Amino acid sequence: DGGITQSPKYLFRKEGQNVTLSCEQNLNHDAMYWYRQDPGQGLRLIYYSQIVNDFQKGDIAEGYSVSREKKESFPLTVTSAQKNPTAFYLCASSLQGSGANVLTFGAGSRLTVL
Amino acid sequence: RKEVEQDPGPFNVPEGATVAFNCTYSNSASQSFFWYRQDCRKEPKLLMSVYSSGNEDGRFTAQLNRASQYISLLIRDSKLSDSATYLCVAKGGGGYNKLIFGAGTRLAVHP
Repeated sequence: DGGITQSPKYLFRKEGQNVTLSCEQNLNHDAMYWYRQDPGQGLRLIYYSQIVNDFQKGDIAEGYSVSREKKESFPLTVTSAQKNPTAFYLCASSLQGSGANVLTFGAGSRLTVL
Repeated sequence: RKEVEQDPGPFNVPEGATVAFNCTYSNSASQSFFWYRQDCRKEPKLLMSVYSSGNEDGRFTAQLNRASQYISLLIRDSKLSDSATYLCVAKGGGGYNKLIFGAGTRLAVHP
């Protein structure tokens, strides 16, 4: 079955450590996204990529980095520069053009900083 | 002011009730609107798109009022399985049509 796989599902990090969240899709979607969700807030866009080897900052990119070396993969690194990294992280993908209206999400990664 | 605002709820309703959620958006250039459903600690999933003429999908009806810049979702004959958070989404205008998510309205349907 086609879909998006995120790993790990739960992750604990000590302050000062970088962590990388994995996102893989087999939907043949060109566009991929990373969102962060905090209680009482809407999903906020961290980074997005519309094609391989290209990505753009979203609304809250500071303290995060991404790469898009393959169409299927869009890993997110949460660096030590991110001041409040504890959150639920969601990866999504979509078609381009009008198809970008419909996002397919992964099951999410829940990051806790100890 | 948030770009997409929703009443957080929770809306506690008995099975069989009709419940309505509203959502307002601030960007008048927004062209497309959607409702996503998110179960507790799960990922959001598209529930339905919202068309200018209004649209219905079974027990769910979505409407758009561009003049007042609000979107509504009506759920008839509520089921226990409808319990979830409903996210209102607007597609922003501009060069990149970014999706703007509201914080969600929580619905709890009880027996």
